[in-house]
Amino acid sequence: EADIYQTPRYLVIGTGKKITLECSQTMGHDKMYWYQQDPGMELHLIHYSYGVNSTEKGDLSSESTVSRIRTEHFPLTLESARPSHTSQYLCASSFRRGYTFGSGTRLTVV
Amino acid sequence: AQSVTQPDIHITVSEGASLELRCNYSYGATPYLFWYVQSPGQGLQLLLKYFSGDTLVQGIKGFEAEFKRSQSSFNLRKPSVHWSDAAEYFCAVGERRYGGATNKLIFGTGTLLAVQP
Repeated sequence: EADIYQTPRYLVIGTGKKITLECSQTMGHDKMYWYQQDPGMELHLIHYSYGVNSTEKGDLSSESTVSRIRTEHFPLTLESARPSHTSQYLCASSFRRGYTFGSGTRLTVV
Repeated sequence: AQSVTQPDIHITVSEGASLELRCNYSYGATPYLFWYVQSPGQGLQLLLKYFSGDTLVQGIKGFEAEFKRSQSSFNLRKPSVHWSDAAEYFCAVGERRYGGATNKLIFGTGTLLAVQP
């Protein structure tokens, strides 16, 4: 039973479209993260948040942006999708040292 | 810089055989160590974690891992593999930076496990 939800699970979209990947958690965790994972590759942190109105870029440069207006919600937005954005995006939240991951969004930009 | 190495990209074992997945890390202090499993199309599921104390850690689904500081390793083991264990396995190091305000993870590249009947 997931406590962190990502939608959509799969998304195929045309180049130039604006998209928002949703991530919500019901655990009240302050810390939330977005990871990007290409097939067969490691996960890379692209954004993280300490709490409401706090966001930072991660280790991997990304053209996406995030917002944290509510504790439970951490959406990721691409203003203009490109084929290079094709990847899997995993959202996570943590409390102390325990992480919980969502099921991911597999994005394909055609 | 902190890093995690999983030297085996792909491993095939027979059902019922024992399994060991290797993980080596580079970290300046005592690390927080994790093993995650990812089934196709799914998110990551935590198998086990090490923070301190007993260096042999028990996890879910019959997995265990041993922290060996002298070898900078945290290898995952299972005595008898089941077909349902076929998945990708990620080792990760927990990193504390920015005044301890984050617990970002650094992941290895993963090991894809195939199980033969």
